[in-house]
Amino acid sequence: QVQLVESGGGVVQPGRSLRLSCAASGFTFSGYSMRWVRQAPGKGLEWVAIISYDGSNQNYAGSVKGRFTVSRDNSKDTLYLQMNSLSAEDTAVYYCAREGSPGSSSWYAFEIWGQGTMVTVSS
Amino acid sequence: QSALTQPASVSGSPGQSITISCTGTSSDIGGYNYVSWYQQHPGKAPKLMIFDVSNRPSGVSDRFSGSKSGNTASLTISGLQAEDEADYYCSSYRGSYTYVFGTGTKVTVL
Repeated sequence: QVQLVESGGGVVQPGRSLRLSCAASGFTFSGYSMRWVRQAPGKGLEWVAIISYDGSNQNYAGSVKGRFTVSRDNSKDTLYLQMNSLSAEDTAVYYCAREGSPGSSSWYAFEIWGQGTMVTVSS
Repeated sequence: QSALTQPASVSGSPGQSITISCTGTSSDIGGYNYVSWYQQHPGKAPKLMIFDVSNRPSGVSDRFSGSKSGNTASLTISGLQAEDEADYYCSSYRGSYTYVFGTGTKVTVL
C-alpha cells in the first residue's frame, strides 16, 4: 500500500544539524512532488518545504529558508530534509507528504502523509 | 508569511451542522482555487478531506463539504458525529511554489 515513513528525528543541541529521511513505498516516487510539514507541540501545521518530482525545483517557508535543504534520491525512493543551525523554534513533529494527482485528488493537495518524526532542539 | 485565520474552536451537537471559516488574502485563497482541508485526530497524521475548494477524495463522507467566497473558504460538516471531533486545518496554494496552512480549529461534539 502507499506509505511514507519518516526517520531521523531525535534530540539535538541548538546550533547543530540533523537530517530527516522519508522512505516512500507503494507508488512511483519519481512521479510526484514531495513536501515537508511540521507541527510544534500543541500548535498548528506549518508548511516547510517542497521539491519537484525530479528535484529540479525547491522552495521553503521563510522561517527555514537558508537553513534547511530539501532533496530526494529517486533511485532510493527517499526524501530528505537537511536542517542546519537548529533552534528551539524548530522543535516539532516533521511530516513528509505527497502531492495528490488528478486521478485521486489534486496536484495542490497534500494527499498522503507519513506518521511523522519528532525533532527536539534542546541543550 | 502569516497563517490563514481560522476560529480556534467550533462545537455542535450530534446531528447538527457546523461551519469552519478560513480567511486569507487575494494572494492565497482569493487568488487560487487550490484550498484543501485536513482532519487531524490527536497523535495522528492529518488526513485530506477536501481538495480544490469543494472536492472530496474517494472514501471521505459526503457530510463534509467545502466552498469559497472571495478570500474566505469554508468547511461544513453536516450530521455531526462523535467521530468528527478533531482538529481541522485549511491550506491554500500561495503561488511561486509555496503553501500556507490555517491556524487550526478544534471541533467539539457536545
